[in-house]
Amino acid sequence: QQQVKQSPQSLIVQKGGISIINCAYENTAFDYFPWYQQFPGKGPALLIAIRPDVSEKKEGRFTISFNKSAKQFSLHIMDSQPGDSATYFCAARGEYGNKLVFGAGTILRVKS
Amino acid sequence: DTEVTQTPKHLVMGMTNKKSLKCEQHMGHRAMYWYKQKAKKPPELMFVYSYEKLSINESVPSRFSPECPNSSLLNLHLHALQPEDSALYLCASSQEIGTGRLSYNSPLHFGNGTRLTVT
Repeated sequence: QQQVKQSPQSLIVQKGGISIINCAYENTAFDYFPWYQQFPGKGPALLIAIRPDVSEKKEGRFTISFNKSAKQFSLHIMDSQPGDSATYFCAARGEYGNKLVFGAGTILRVKS
Repeated sequence: DTEVTQTPKHLVMGMTNKKSLKCEQHMGHRAMYWYKQKAKKPPELMFVYSYEKLSINESVPSRFSPECPNSSLLNLHLHALQPEDSALYLCASSQEIGTGRLSYNSPLHFGNGTRLTVT
């Protein structure tokens, strides 16, 4: 129940295309869902986050869609650029306030 | 650049050595964390300090010893590590607002990590 399942494991997208990464969870107590972006040799950086009372959050080219009834949320990267090539982790706040449950990660490569 | 600073960036140590990883933040955050990340895996929580007190220990072996000297500093003391402990060690911090829960208004901020190799 503490898991967040992330797919796909890896993704190749053409420049200008849309990248879509999906996450699903079981624990209905989860109530905070951030996405982190990590470049090689760097720590994860907060990209965008959403609360479950909101169905969509958009920041620039990045959009989170949230489906509370299906217990799923996804990250859409519009007009994907080579600079977006990174590993993306979805996460959810677990039973303990200071603990995030991370998905397994998606390695995104945007081809120019 | 991240506002959570970790030193050193790289560390190679033998199994009999004692070393320390250091982390500093000046964002006024009162919660600080140590995570371990293996290649191509998500970060795994090790320890959480809240107001300089250890609040979460994820059953980490005693060869890892955390210390929080003050609200801006976090150390991880290493002793008698094994080669399988080689990983990226990430420090993170967050504000403690209200209930102290990570939230939309109190997100987790990571440093760039220390790449540790145990030989």
